[in-house]
Amino acid sequence: DQQVKQNSPSLSVQEGRISILNCDYTNSMFDYFLWYKKYPAEGPTFLISISSIKDKNEDGRFTVFLNKSAKHLSLHIVPSQPGDSAVYFCAARLNYGGSQGNLIFGKGTKLSVKP
Amino acid sequence: DAGVTQSPTHLIKTRGQQVTLRCSPKSGHDTVSWYQQALGQGPQFIFQYYEEEERQRGNFPDRFSGHQFPNYSSELNVNALLLGDSALYLCASSLVGTGHNTFGSGTRLTVV
Repeated sequence: DQQVKQNSPSLSVQEGRISILNCDYTNSMFDYFLWYKKYPAEGPTFLISISSIKDKNEDGRFTVFLNKSAKHLSLHIVPSQPGDSAVYFCAARLNYGGSQGNLIFGKGTKLSVKP
Repeated sequence: DAGVTQSPTHLIKTRGQQVTLRCSPKSGHDTVSWYQQALGQGPQFIFQYYEEEERQRGNFPDRFSGHQFPNYSSELNVNALLLGDSALYLCASSLVGTGHNTFGSGTRLTVV
């Protein structure tokens, strides 16, 4: 039973355009959502996060939107650059009695940004 | 500033053997978590160590065990290896009470 789902295994976007990566979740107890970026032969690198009490968080070219009623979040990258080509993982954290809980990851979406 | 370092980077073991993977957390971090990433999947939580104790555990059998040392470094041990244990094993460190994990590059384990 997958609690975090990324239904698009891959996404191809032209350089300069917007990339939108989507993520759905099922557990209402998640208190924090994160996006990680992963290049081959490297570990996941933290990109941006959002608390469950917010609906938007922005950091430069990256914006994450959270729709709690739909249990859906999305990552927008504007403008997309070839260096953004990587696998993007959506992750959610369970509220673990007030301390930091473990992360539950989706399967990832491979983004290709074409020059 | 060294990030999370894992050793070895690659490892080939035979079914039934035992393996130990090592992780040194990022400087200033005191919590270590281990994840297993199978091919085509996202990382799956194995367990987390803080103050030398296992604090949380994911849905993994007892063949998977760990340890945290006083210097915060950690080991992941897997006994009686199965072919299905072949995966990328990721170590992540964090400072307790803060939000973000820093991941290492992982150890690629192949069981033949």
